[in-house]
Amino acid sequence: QVQLVQSGAEVKKPGASVKVSCKASGYTFTNSHMHWVRQAPGQGLEWMGIITPSEGRTRHAQKLQGRVTMTRDTSTSTVYMELSSLRSEDTAVYYCARDSGKWTFDIWGQGTMVTVSS
Amino acid sequence: QSALTQPAAVSGSPGQSITISCTGTSSDVGGYNHVSWFQQHPGKAPKLMIYDVSNRPSGVSNRFSGSKSGNTASLTISGLQAEDEADYYCSSYTSSSTWVFGGGTKLTVL
Repeated sequence: QVQLVQSGAEVKKPGASVKVSCKASGYTFTNSHMHWVRQAPGQGLEWMGIITPSEGRTRHAQKLQGRVTMTRDTSTSTVYMELSSLRSEDTAVYYCARDSGKWTFDIWGQGTMVTVSS
Repeated sequence: QSALTQPAAVSGSPGQSITISCTGTSSDVGGYNHVSWFQQHPGKAPKLMIYDVSNRPSGVSNRFSGSKSGNTASLTISGLQAEDEADYYCSSYTSSSTWVFGGGTKLTVL
């Protein structure tokens, strides 16, 4: 079945970087874009960005300009999201979500909790 | 890009119908028929319930329906059931080629 499996929880200090992985299976990896969405504790969903696995092209939310990097490894069907210069406000669950081809997110990973604390 | 506006909470009794609104601008909800709705139970990942304003993915109950008028989209749940109690989020594609979510609505089944 189609699924996205993410890496485990992380605890980071302010100013550090974190890299979250998302391994896809059950479909042709290069045929679907992948999004990253985060959710701070008790808060709503926030779109972070999108990567095209076939070409590696990315687009991200303006507020994350300069801090977010999305990459992919087609040999392992894995996408990565790296967030740098972490601050307490980046504490959140980070999700990868497959683009359905209909401008929406049809399959979600299980989420990765990232805690930023000194 | 500002978040779409949703009511913080709605409630209804089993068997009743409820509607959740999602208000944006002509640069997102009003400009595209790419509005989606997601259901999220506590501690779980969101689940796609409606896409392109009114389409249901395979496996989603027909008790869930969507519509749009101008800059406001709506999700209606009919025949409320206990398992419908969850948080609901709308999202829309935008004129900046990005996506934006609503702030979320907590549905309580009384």
